[in-house]
Amino acid sequence: GENVEQHPSTLSVQEGDSAVIKCTYSDSASNYFPWYKQELGKRPQLIIDIRSNVGEKKDQRIAVTLNKTAKHFSLHITETQPEDSAVYFCAASWTGTSGSRLTFGEGTQLTVNP
Amino acid sequence: NAGVTQTPKFRILKIGQSMTLQCTQDMNHNYMYWYRQDPGMGLKLIYYSVGAGITDKGEVPNGYNVSRSTTEDFPLRLELAAPSQTSVYFCASSPQQGLRSTYEQYFGPGTRLTVT
Repeated sequence: GENVEQHPSTLSVQEGDSAVIKCTYSDSASNYFPWYKQELGKRPQLIIDIRSNVGEKKDQRIAVTLNKTAKHFSLHITETQPEDSAVYFCAASWTGTSGSRLTFGEGTQLTVNP
Repeated sequence: NAGVTQTPKFRILKIGQSMTLQCTQDMNHNYMYWYRQDPGMGLKLIYYSVGAGITDKGEVPNGYNVSRSTTEDFPLRLELAAPSQTSVYFCASSPQQGLRSTYEQYFGPGTRLTVT
């Protein structure tokens, strides 16, 4: 199966600074890498995803980069705002005999200080 | 479109009791999943289904059972509840087609379960 490691587990930045969260995965066949944001007491919500045929994807202040050779991918948030404070999870797809599923990292608690 | 709905929102069980967590989606998604999330931790896959009548185990299936008789519904059954099953349970669905394709998962609001 897939193993996903996520770092750091906590990250504190000043408003306006950038934040970077990194994940590594073990299965070289993984082809889909989403990032979810989870606010306290809420459900996880997709913020950006990338497929293995793309090296970088950007959506306003959020970008994700993928290095297939090194088997790692990163989330970049620029010009952070207090409302970016949440737990962020990376995930990597894994395909077994019964279809594809996601393996999640353990999460990063991001705190943006005003 | 209600998306993915779960009932109940909260539940307290005594050790040894049983219950069923309900999950329904109205997006005609083939794939459905059950995860548990322990405090401060990530999401662990319990069971998943690629379509009606087909289910498979995830990372942590012990103590749980599922069924998928319709596209819309994917109930999770807890038999003989134990304190270790205290967690938040999330159901999710995905529109992916085929065994190798992967698409966004849409999550329900969760069920917070306490076993005492």
